[in-house]
Amino acid sequence: QQQVKQSPQSLIVQKGGISIINCAYENTAFDYFPWYQQFPGKGPALLIAIRPDVSEKKEGRFTISFNKSAKQFSLHIMDSQPGDSATYFCAAGDTGTASKLTFGTGTRLQVTL
Amino acid sequence: DAGVTQSPTHLIKTRGQQVTLRCSPISGHKSVSWYQQVLGQGPQFIFQYYEKEERGRGNFPDRFSARQFPNYSSELNVNALLLGDSALYLCASSWGRRGTEAFFGQGTRLTVV
Repeated sequence: QQQVKQSPQSLIVQKGGISIINCAYENTAFDYFPWYQQFPGKGPALLIAIRPDVSEKKEGRFTISFNKSAKQFSLHIMDSQPGDSATYFCAAGDTGTASKLTFGTGTRLQVTL
Repeated sequence: DAGVTQSPTHLIKTRGQQVTLRCSPISGHKSVSWYQQVLGQGPQFIFQYYEKEERGRGNFPDRFSARQFPNYSSELNVNALLLGDSALYLCASSWGRRGTEAFFGQGTRLTVV
């Protein structure tokens, strides 16, 4: 019940295209859903996060879509750039108890020229 | 502004040895969480410390322990190292005990031989 399932495992997108990464969760106590970007040899960097009281949040080229009834959320990267090539992790947290985050397995994104 | 700093960046230890990893949170942040990231996987929660007390613990053996100091810095200790402990150990800093954004350091790459 604590799992967060992430897909796809890897993704290749052309420059200027839209990258879409999906996550699903089971634990209905989760109420905080961040996305992290990680480059090789670096720690995860917080990109954008959403809480269940909204269905969409946009920051620059990054958008989170959230479907509470389906227990799914997704990251959309618009106008994908080669510099976006990295591994992306979704995560979920139950903010009523602690700051513990449960992470997905990651999506390796490659943006080609 | 200094972000989350971790030391050392890389470490090689022999099976059976003990290791201590260090983390300094972002100034003003009172919560430190530790995560283990095995190659190709998402980070796994180990501990959360807030105001020098353990506030959460993941599914890790008692060989793993941690503490937080009055200046909110933290140490993670792992005893009786196993080959399977080889991983990137990440420290995350948050302002509050729960419900706040987590910012990660660059990690300590531990290799057990």
